[in-house]
Amino acid sequence: EVQLVQSGAEVKKPGESLKISCKGSGYSFTSYWIGWVRQMPGKGLEWMGIINPGDSDTRYSPSFRGQVTISADKSITTAYLQWSSLMASDTAMYYCARPLTMVRGVMGGIDYWGQGTLVTVSS
Amino acid sequence: DIQMTQSPSSVSASVGDRVTITCRASQGISSWLAWYQQKPGKAPKLLIYAASSLHSGVPSRFSGSGSGTDFTLTISSLQPEDFATYYCQQANSFPYTFGQGTKLEIK
Repeated sequence: EVQLVQSGAEVKKPGESLKISCKGSGYSFTSYWIGWVRQMPGKGLEWMGIINPGDSDTRYSPSFRGQVTISADKSITTAYLQWSSLMASDTAMYYCARPLTMVRGVMGGIDYWGQGTLVTVSS
Repeated sequence: DIQMTQSPSSVSASVGDRVTITCRASQGISSWLAWYQQKPGKAPKLLIYAASSLHSGVPSRFSGSGSGTDFTLTISSLQPEDFATYYCQQANSFPYTFGQGTKLEIK
């Protein structure tokens, strides 16, 4: 059974750093890209970026480039999303997501999602 | 970036109604469009991929159509469990932008 299991909720102060995780299991981790999606409270879905765990090729949405870092450790089948200095506006639910297919930049839709990690940034 | 615009932003309907949601891309994306359903407090679920392909396990009352820039999601006969928010996502090129969502509410 394919599973993406994310790390637990976090409460942080502005300026602090944070790294959340997404552990994949039940499939060949290096054969599928993993993306990250933000959902601010009461708002819609925002695409942040995506990584190929096989070669660490990473593509960021322009809105998030320089604001977060996406990485992966294939030895432990885990993808990460990290911030070096959090802001209150980073308060959101963050989902990791695995595309159905991915061929030459064309994606077939996201068929597996993590359960979400709620990040709260407040002084 | 490719911008995705959904309409309407919200719709009220009754059980048994037929509902259509529209998604327009700011440039052509061939048939590379996905539709998702999201319920409060839950991760989104894939309904349709490649504009018209029904994802495994999704009821046949859901259907998708379109290509190029204009796409539709149709629910042929609303069931109580279908009241949720629906999102389109272009899957043609990075970044894979979402529409703003359509909230389907009970009339």
